[in-house]
Amino acid sequence: TQLLEQSPQFLSIQEGENLTVYCNSSSVFSSLQWYRQEPGEGPVLLVTVVTGGEVKKLKRLTFQFGDARKDSSLHITAAQPGDTGLYLCAGSNYGGSQGNLIFGKGTKLSVKP
Amino acid sequence: NAGVTQTPKFRVLKTGQSMTLLCAQDMNHEYMYWYRQDPGMGLRLIHYSVGEGTTAKGEVPDGYNVSRLKKQNFLLGLESAAPSQTSVYFCASLPRQGGGNTEAFFGQGTRLTVV
Repeated sequence: TQLLEQSPQFLSIQEGENLTVYCNSSSVFSSLQWYRQEPGEGPVLLVTVVTGGEVKKLKRLTFQFGDARKDSSLHITAAQPGDTGLYLCAGSNYGGSQGNLIFGKGTKLSVKP
Repeated sequence: NAGVTQTPKFRVLKTGQSMTLLCAQDMNHEYMYWYRQDPGMGLRLIHYSVGEGTTAKGEVPDGYNVSRLKKQNFLLGLESAAPSQTSVYFCASLPRQGGGNTEAFFGQGTRLTVV
């Protein structure tokens, strides 16, 4: 069974601080996605990384896929209250019989003004 | 462009009652999924479908049934609701995998309470 472990589970910081969220697995994934979910809404895709060592930037968010494609990190610079939400990582494998996305449990981020 | 639409958005059931949750997508996606989300548990896969007429069990399938008679619709049924099925249910769809294009599109969720 493939599992994705996210850490930390909860994070409460002040506006302007930096933070990093981690997503780790013992399994290799073909690609890994990061989603953000706001209260009362479904998750929305932020980024997909597919190449080991890949780094993608989305404004103040930096995503990295581990060289071995088993882990990923999300770094937020100068966090804003609008960054508050649940961050989920999800891994998938091409050609798998399930066509399944495996989700981590999420990191609940609260950014206080 | 509606994307993924779930109905209903809220429902309260009595223990033992049955109901069906409907998920409809207009993106011609092959894969569709039903997840439940409980506090501290993230998203757990209930059932999924890789194409019209096919369904398969996920991580937590007990107490649920599904059907995919049409490509655009994926139904989740609860035959005899139990309080343990109180949760927020999300439907998602995915295009056929390949080339890194594996974005899952989610509905807005159905909040189900079983009393």
